[in-house]
Amino acid sequence: DSGVTQTPKHLITATGQRVTLRCSPRSGDLSVYWYQQSLDQGLQFLIQYYNGEERAKGNILERFSAQQFPDLHSELNLSSLELGDSALYFCASSLIPENTQYFGPGTRLTVL
Amino acid sequence: DAKTTQPPSMDCAEGRAANLPCNHSTISGNEYVYWYRQIHSQGPQYIIHGLKNNETNEMASLIITEDRKSSTLILPHATLRDTAVYYCIVHYGGSQGNLIFGKGTKLSVKP
Repeated sequence: DSGVTQTPKHLITATGQRVTLRCSPRSGDLSVYWYQQSLDQGLQFLIQYYNGEERAKGNILERFSAQQFPDLHSELNLSSLELGDSALYFCASSLIPENTQYFGPGTRLTVL
Repeated sequence: DAKTTQPPSMDCAEGRAANLPCNHSTISGNEYVYWYRQIHSQGPQYIIHGLKNNETNEMASLIITEDRKSSTLILPHATLRDTAVYYCIVHYGGSQGNLIFGKGTKLSVKP
């Protein structure tokens, strides 16, 4: 158990819908990262937050957005969902950006 | 793109040491070598990391060559539960912390 929690574990929705994935970092960690893992693309970095501020962006689509709240939990919002958004979404956290990242168990999103 | 090269797959007998190689010939002086593994579709699990010196923890040992162009992850006594995809990642310990995952090595531990 890494100490990072993600909810929900599974999410099934329809195209065009909007969903929110939630991540609670390990106690004391200030930095949160979101990654997407699809069958054809592998694990890809989406976005990073540090102490509430966006720190880095990867290949995150404009339909996706995220934020980190004052209590340090983070949410990833996915809108206008397409079939290709079906994937595993992982959250990771670290004490500060330079430190080791610990991953949560992931949320499996299925878009029908 | 990932800055590492790993064999796509390896087999290991249960109870034997598993030695997983990684080439990172373009590594720079301030970049660390990290190893993670992913069992089935679980979240990647941190194993070990190092800069120059060899490292050991309760899970594994990391051997980094003197020129730092390659490394080997050693699982001393592999078990069936070590069957996973192992990722070698070169990571700059700076303020932008995202990891770049390659395809990794699929390790199959066989009875």
